Amino acid sequence: GAVVSQHPSWVICKSGTSVKIECRSLDFQATTMFWYRQFPKQSLMLMATSNEGSKATYEQGVEKDKFLINHASLTLSTLTVTSAHPEDSSFYICSARGFRGRALDNEQFFGPGTRLTVL
Amino acid sequence: GNSVTQMEGPVTLSEEAFLTINCTYTATGYPSLFWYVQYPGEGLQLLLKATKADDKGSNKGFEATYRKETTSFHLEKGSVQVSDSAVYFCALPLTFGSGTQLTVLP
Repeated sequence: GAVVSQHPSWVICKSGTSVKIECRSLDFQATTMFWYRQFPKQSLMLMATSNEGSKATYEQGVEKDKFLINHASLTLSTLTVTSAHPEDSSFYICSARGFRGRALDNEQFFGPGTRLTVL
Repeated sequence: GNSVTQMEGPVTLSEEAFLTINCTYTATGYPSLFWYVQYPGEGLQLLLKATKADDKGSNKGFEATYRKETTSFHLEKGSVQVSDSAVYFCALPLTFGSGTQLTVLP
């Protein structure tokens, strides 16, 4: 399989601050990256889809000004939670789809997730 | 829109018991179907997949068959191990079920 990393793995911040989460594809080129949010004991909820070099497409109900997504290269996407509040506390997971010589069979590869706690 | 419904947990089994986790889906067309596994503190890993009707995905002793007529993709394993304890998600390409927590006791 292909490897996706996330950084940081956990972060604690004060209310009102901004937090940036990085998602990297380590051994393949990610043409598309996805950002999910997972609440405790619940499923993953797709927040947005980003294609390299273009603006992200946000799912209904997700505030694009609050969750800023940048996908400037084929190996890196970032999610910035702006002016974070306690209700933004969650587990954020990215996944990537792309190619390594050839298309990786349209499969998504998931990062390990980032636990955000806003005090 | 697309949706995935899977058996609610938690499911607790003894080692070597038979496992079934039910999953049904609603989708347009014939999308690929997936089972992911999430071990404690880790991200999701693809367990198996099927790309067309009647395909059987299999991995690590787990199996699931893409049933178009019943829109189902039930996960099965003949003999579970303690190391199989995790949360299992049935999924369409971008739509996930709610997850089923499996605990296997020695």
